[in-house]
Amino acid sequence: EIVLTQSPDTLSLSPGERATLSCRASQSVTSSFLAWYQQKPGQAPRLLIYGASSRATGIPDRFSGSGSGTDFTLTISRLEPEDFAVYYCQYCGSSLWTFGQGTKVEIK
Amino acid sequence: EVQLVESGGGLVQPGGSLKLSCAASGVTFSGAAIHWVRQASGKGLEWVGRMRSKFNNYATAYASSVSGRFTISRDDSKNTAYLQMNSLKTEDTAVYYCTATGADDFDYWGQGTLVTVSS
Repeated sequence: EIVLTQSPDTLSLSPGERATLSCRASQSVTSSFLAWYQQKPGQAPRLLIYGASSRATGIPDRFSGSGSGTDFTLTISRLEPEDFAVYYCQYCGSSLWTFGQGTKVEIK
Repeated sequence: EVQLVESGGGLVQPGGSLKLSCAASGVTFSGAAIHWVRQASGKGLEWVGRMRSKFNNYATAYASSVSGRFTISRDDSKNTAYLQMNSLKTEDTAVYYCTATGADDFDYWGQGTLVTVSS
C-alpha cells in the first residue's frame, strides 16, 4: 500500500508570499495518478491539480504542481486571502486511493 | 450545473447498519466511477471504496478498514449510488462524501453527510 507523507503539517505565511508544499510517496508512483486538493472548513475538497502538473478547470495559474517518482510539490506563487486552507495530495491508483495527511496553510 | 447530493446519514448504535445515497444531476453518471471518502471531525480524508462504471464491469474495491462491512452499489437509471454500511463501529463516525470521477479533471464531490456511531 502506498503511503503519502506531506510536509510541513502547517505552513504559516502572509498574503503575497510563495507557498511550497511537499508530498512524498512511500514508493514510486505514476505521475498521472497524483493529484492535489484544497479544502476549506465546512466544504468538500476541490480538485486543483491532476496528473501531478495539470491544473483543473477554473484553477488560477498561481497554483502549479510538479514532481515525479516519489517526490511531488504544490506551489502557490503568491498567496491570496482565499488560499488559506488545508491541502491534500492524493494517489488515485487503479485499485485504490490514498490521501496524504494534509498541510494547513495559515495566515501568519 | 453538476450536483451530487448525499443523504441517509444520522445517528446509529455500534453494530448497526445505515445506507447512504448519492444522487447526481447535471452529469453523465453512468460513465463515471463513484468513490466514497470519509472525514472524521478535525481529521484528514480517508478513502472508503469505489465502484467503476458499466464500461469497467462495475468493479469494486474497498479500504481494508471497511472491507467486508461496507458495500457500494449504483443504479445508473436513477443517477444514484449507495453505500451500505453494516457492523458499524464508533470509529466509522465521520462525514461521508461521494465523488464522481472520470478522465482528467472530471471530479465532482457532494457536500457530505454526517454519520455518527454512538450508543
